[in-house]
Amino acid sequence: DGGITQSPKYLFRKEGQNVTLSCEQNLNHDAMYWYRQDPGQGLRLIYYSQIVNDFQKGDIAEGYSVSREKKESFPLTVTSAQKNPTAFYLCASSVPGQTYGYTFGSGTRLTVV
Amino acid sequence: QKEVEQNSGPLSVPEGAIASLNCTYSDRGSQSFFWYRQYSGKSPELIMSIYSNGDKEDGRFTAQLNKASQYVSLLIRDSQPSDSATYLCAVIGAAGNKLTFGGGTRVLVKP
Repeated sequence: DGGITQSPKYLFRKEGQNVTLSCEQNLNHDAMYWYRQDPGQGLRLIYYSQIVNDFQKGDIAEGYSVSREKKESFPLTVTSAQKNPTAFYLCASSVPGQTYGYTFGSGTRLTVV
Repeated sequence: QKEVEQNSGPLSVPEGAIASLNCTYSDRGSQSFFWYRQYSGKSPELIMSIYSNGDKEDGRFTAQLNKASQYVSLLIRDSQPSDSATYLCAVIGAAGNKLTFGGGTRVLVKP
């Protein structure tokens, strides 16, 4: 079945550490996105990529980095510069320019301990 | 002003009643409008999309779009306890390159 796989489902990080969240899709979508969701709030865009080897900052990119070396993969690194990293992280994909909704992965819940 | 705004709720409705959710957006050139349902701890699930003014019905859900007033709404008829969730309004703006979400409205359907 086609879909988006995010791993791990739960992740714990010590303060000062970088962690990388995985996102893989087999939908043949060119565009991929990372969103962050805090409790009781909507989704905020961190980074997005419309094509391999290219990506743009979203609304809250500070403290995060991404790479897009393969069409299927769009990993997100939460760096130590991100002051409040505890959140629910969602990856999504779509066909660029399409007007129907995005497909979401099941999410990674990151907690700083 | 936030790009997409929703009342956070909770919106409490009795079982069998109609739940009415509203959403406003700031980008007048927005092209596409979506409603997602999100259960606690889960990822959003697309339930409705609408692209032109008027109503669109799908089962117990009706989406309404008024581009002149820059609002989109969702009606849930014959509400069921399983409809208890957070409903997220999302908009693709004039640039067409990203989906922007509102803060979500929490709906509670009481038996």
